[in-house]
Amino acid sequence: AQKITQTQPGMFVQEKEAVTLDCTYDTSDPSYGLFWYKQPSSGEMIFLIYQGSYDQQNATEGRYSLNFQKARKSANLVISASQLGDSAMYFCAMREGRDNYGQNFVFGPGTRLSVLP
Amino acid sequence: GAGVSQSPSNKVTEKGKDVELRCDPISGHTALYWYRQSLGQGLEFLIYFQGNSAPDKSGLPSDRFSAERTGGSVSTLTIQRTQQEDSAVYLCASSLAPGRSSGNTIYFGEGSWLTVV
Repeated sequence: AQKITQTQPGMFVQEKEAVTLDCTYDTSDPSYGLFWYKQPSSGEMIFLIYQGSYDQQNATEGRYSLNFQKARKSANLVISASQLGDSAMYFCAMREGRDNYGQNFVFGPGTRLSVLP
Repeated sequence: GAGVSQSPSNKVTEKGKDVELRCDPISGHTALYWYRQSLGQGLEFLIYFQGNSAPDKSGLPSDRFSAERTGGSVSTLTIQRTQQEDSAVYLCASSLAPGRSSGNTIYFGEGSWLTVV
């Protein structure tokens, strides 16, 4: 079963507007972390933001914020004031906490965001 | 170096040849990951190292794929008897030891672009 679901293969947003990229996850582990990465056309994977399962507040990093709804198992990324340079693939990822070394990062299929001038 | 370093950055090889891809993680990072990304696709997990041991090899697609890590640092991913479907970007990432904290972010190298002709 998919552990990370990103239902939007592609999104368009007008420059300077806000956009929300959806991510839902599946885990039975009470301890986990959620991450968002950006992959521009150059191919590098750039870490954007992290949310821990025990964090009480939603994470924010500059123009990025994570709308964490634990009961719904969703961790949507909100980008405010979109810029042309935000056009890229965006991946949601999860790491589950375990007592042994079996930890693994699981990635969703990604959402391609295009910012329109 | 400051980041994850991968080599070669680009490799074109003939079908049937063996290739070796190298990853030098961030200094002090004990966890190391290999992923594969086909053109326009998401990330496919291959293997995970904690130190020199690989507790999770579940993602290796076939017995033509192997990986090792020596000295808790550099890792090599070897693909024997390459096939055209092996053409992809091979991404390496590293992080601090996961331990019981799920928060340690993984940082990616720029990838090795493999083309099998």
